[in-house]
Amino acid sequence: AQSVTQLDSQVPVFEEAPVELRCNYSSSVSVYLFWYVQYPNQGLQLLLKYLSGSTLVKGINGFEAEFNKSQTSFHLRKPSVHISDTAEYFCAVSLIRRKLTFGTGTRLQVTL
Amino acid sequence: DAGITQSPRHKVTETGTPVTLRCHQTENHRYMYWYRQDPGHGLRLIHYSYGVKDTDKGEVSDGYSVSRSKTEDFLLTLESATSSQTSVYFCAISETVQGTEAFFGQGTRLTVV
Repeated sequence: AQSVTQLDSQVPVFEEAPVELRCNYSSSVSVYLFWYVQYPNQGLQLLLKYLSGSTLVKGINGFEAEFNKSQTSFHLRKPSVHISDTAEYFCAVSLIRRKLTFGTGTRLQVTL
Repeated sequence: DAGITQSPRHKVTETGTPVTLRCHQTENHRYMYWYRQDPGHGLRLIHYSYGVKDTDKGEVSDGYSVSRSKTEDFLLTLESATSSQTSVYFCAISETVQGTEAFFGQGTRLTVV
């Protein structure tokens, strides 16, 4: 079975500071990995995904994530956050021909 | 934005009444999903469909049923609503399961009183 763990339920950060949102997964086989963002009162929007190839994946809004197979991690990073990045972020994993499994989410709160 | 419409967007219903939520897509995607979102649990899959009349259970399917008679519509029914089913429900679609993006609707906030 596949599972996803987001270690931090909330991450407060000041504007223009760097941020890392952590995600670990468990699976005995290869997986596809995703980060989604949810702004207040909206659905989820894909930030980025890792399917294969380069372990550093760049997404929208300046976010990037690095796939680390040995540590089974897929942490999301941004070098300088903006107030508008305040949202909830979800890590998700899928096996080949299987549906997405989501983590419990990390609420990023950016303040001045 | 992907063409996904959920209806209704908000609903308050009484315990024991049946409720049907509708998801309509204009993308002709094969896969459709129903998730519920609750604090501390993230999104949990209720049911999904991989084609017309082809559906399967997710991790929290008890108390829910689904139907898909047309490619574009995926209905979620709570046969007899309970307070534990108060949640925000999201519909999602994808072209395939294998590594493609899932597009989400705006959500339906359901309150069972």
